[in-house]
Amino acid sequence: AQSVTQPDIHITVSEGASLELRCNYSYGATPYLFWYVQSPGQGLQLLLKYFSGDTLVQGIKGFEAEFKRSQSSFNLRKPSVHWSDAAEYFCAVGPNNAGNMLTFGGGTRLMVKP
Amino acid sequence: DAGVTQSPTHLIKTRGQQVTLRCSPKSGHDTVSWYQQALGQGPQFIFQYYEEEERQRGNFPDRFSGHQFPNYSSELNVNALLLGDSALYLCASSLGGRAVGEQFFGPGTRLTVL
Repeated sequence: AQSVTQPDIHITVSEGASLELRCNYSYGATPYLFWYVQSPGQGLQLLLKYFSGDTLVQGIKGFEAEFKRSQSSFNLRKPSVHWSDAAEYFCAVGPNNAGNMLTFGGGTRLMVKP
Repeated sequence: DAGVTQSPTHLIKTRGQQVTLRCSPKSGHDTVSWYQQALGQGPQFIFQYYEEEERQRGNFPDRFSGHQFPNYSSELNVNALLLGDSALYLCASSLGGRAVGEQFFGPGTRLTVL
């Protein structure tokens, strides 16, 4: 069965500092990988996705992620964090062998210090 | 272009009652997936509807059922509510029966079971 682990439940960074959110997955083949962001009281917004090809993918809001097959990781990065980036971030993997469902990690809550 | 809409925004029910949540997909989308997000956790896949049929189901009991209408909108029904059903219920839409390509999420319905 596929699974996603986000080891960091909470992360606090200073505004302007760099950010890296970790994501490790378990999947039997090359996965489709996603990062979503959720602001309080909101639904999920897709930041970026990896299907195939270049392992460094660019997303919206200045985010990027790198797929590392050898480490089963898909870490999210941003060179300079803005206060508006404070939110919950979810890594997800799909599809599984039986269909197209997404499996999400438990999320990482990002707090930004002024 | 309207995105994914869900109604109601909030709902309070008591144990044993039944509830119906509604979702209208993004314009042009024909596939609807439902997710349950408990407080402090990542979303969990409930089921997916395409061509008015349930195509895939997650690990949820039969108390959770759904329907998709000819206009692609969808309902999620939960019978015999338990306290543990309290959660944010998210609807996601996509195109062509494949949720993995581009999946757009609605703002969710917050269900509280007392």
